[in-house]
Amino acid sequence: DAKTTQPPSMDCAEGRAANLPCNHSTISGNEYVYWYRQIHSQGPQYIIHGLKNNETNEMASLIITEDRKSSTLILPHATLRDTAVYYCIVRVARNFGNEKLTFGTGTRLTIIP
Amino acid sequence: GAVVSQHPSWVICKSGTSVKIECRSLDFQATTMFWYRQFPKQSLMLMATSNEGSKATYEQGVEKDKFLINHASLTLSTLTVTSAHPEDSSFYICSASLGVSETQYFGPGTRLLVL
Repeated sequence: DAKTTQPPSMDCAEGRAANLPCNHSTISGNEYVYWYRQIHSQGPQYIIHGLKNNETNEMASLIITEDRKSSTLILPHATLRDTAVYYCIVRVARNFGNEKLTFGTGTRLTIIP
Repeated sequence: GAVVSQHPSWVICKSGTSVKIECRSLDFQATTMFWYRQFPKQSLMLMATSNEGSKATYEQGVEKDKFLINHASLTLSTLTVTSAHPEDSSFYICSASLGVSETQYFGPGTRLLVL
């Protein structure tokens, strides 16, 4: 299973771009990088995912390095509501075809007013 | 789109009773549903994976006779915690996807407190 490494915590000023890094140096060629976030006492919220190309949606942008060993989630204009724990997950394929998400400890992002 | 609901949002019960938690996909048909639990200050841990119409697959260390999972329709899965004890107190979260290789969308979670 490819594992991910994220900084335990980060701060970002409100209105600025929040850049959350993730290392996944053992990722396999057919494994996707997923990002979720969990606001306190709620279920995780899907943000974005990608394979090797950069991706953008209404919530964020995902930048994946060419060697796919790391990625960065970018929240372009952070607001106080973006304060949450952000999880970078490499989707694992098991032998019999089912796939699961393995959550690490994530990055606790705090947006500072 | 991709909304998942859970009911109840919180429950308090006495030790030894059983508790049923429902997970519904509101605007899509979920062929696969997942059940997680999260203890305070810890990350989510997958308990089991269920496909509609078949038996659930449990993760190592999760007792299938204690955590009964039923996925009888494409929009509903239930988790029953049988003979609950205080150590079962946790935050239970479900997720749903169109299939095992699709994006998982999570419910809001159910907080269980066993007295």
